[in-house]
Amino acid sequence: QKEVEQDPGPLSVPEGAIVSLNCTYSNSAFQYFMWYRQYSRKGPELLMYTYSSGNKEDGRFTAQVDKSSKYISLFIRDSQPSDSATYLCAMNRGSTLGRLYFGRGTQLTVWP
Amino acid sequence: DTGVSQDPRHKITKRGQNVTFRCDPISEHNRLYWYRQTLGQGPEFLTYFQNEAQLEKSRLLSDRFSAERPKGSFSTLEIQRTEQGDSAMYLCASSSTQGGTGELFFGEGSRLTVL
Repeated sequence: QKEVEQDPGPLSVPEGAIVSLNCTYSNSAFQYFMWYRQYSRKGPELLMYTYSSGNKEDGRFTAQVDKSSKYISLFIRDSQPSDSATYLCAMNRGSTLGRLYFGRGTQLTVWP
Repeated sequence: DTGVSQDPRHKITKRGQNVTFRCDPISEHNRLYWYRQTLGQGPEFLTYFQNEAQLEKSRLLSDRFSAERPKGSFSTLEIQRTEQGDSAMYLCASSSTQGGTGELFFGEGSRLTVL
């Protein structure tokens, strides 16, 4: 079993829809949780960053962490065609503790 | 541009040849990471450096792979005797342990195709 599980999709939604992306993990030591967005043939770019359990909102994006269930989510409101990309969840045990563990990514297409 | 820079962006080689990739991190970042990503998968950790010290290596990093960061600035990743299974995107990232949140900033990647 991989330490981070993520449904690869693909997910296809109409413009304006609310998108929900999710990951589960097995290592209870993970404390920092991130979402990266990756466009085709590009490097990942950091989208959202949260520490421990709770919610964090940034514009149309909301990240949720439920450490008791080992479950994290990213919600995208009013989705746009420019949101079409692969979304990767990532996590680590501490901000200075090195490597990130990634999910396999969910491919999202938002059609106009 | 002050982001992470990788070179070359794309390398095509024949099986058995050696290849080397270079990564220039964000200048004030003391940590540098190498990841490998294949189609439809998330990035897989290979190794990371803090300054010039290599602190962790994945079991994915076979004896044919070697990474260096000689002066704590740029890094090279060499693959010897390439195999078709080495075909992937090799991603470099950097981060800082001084303040901030430790998030990784990625380069555009170096795509390797082994024929």
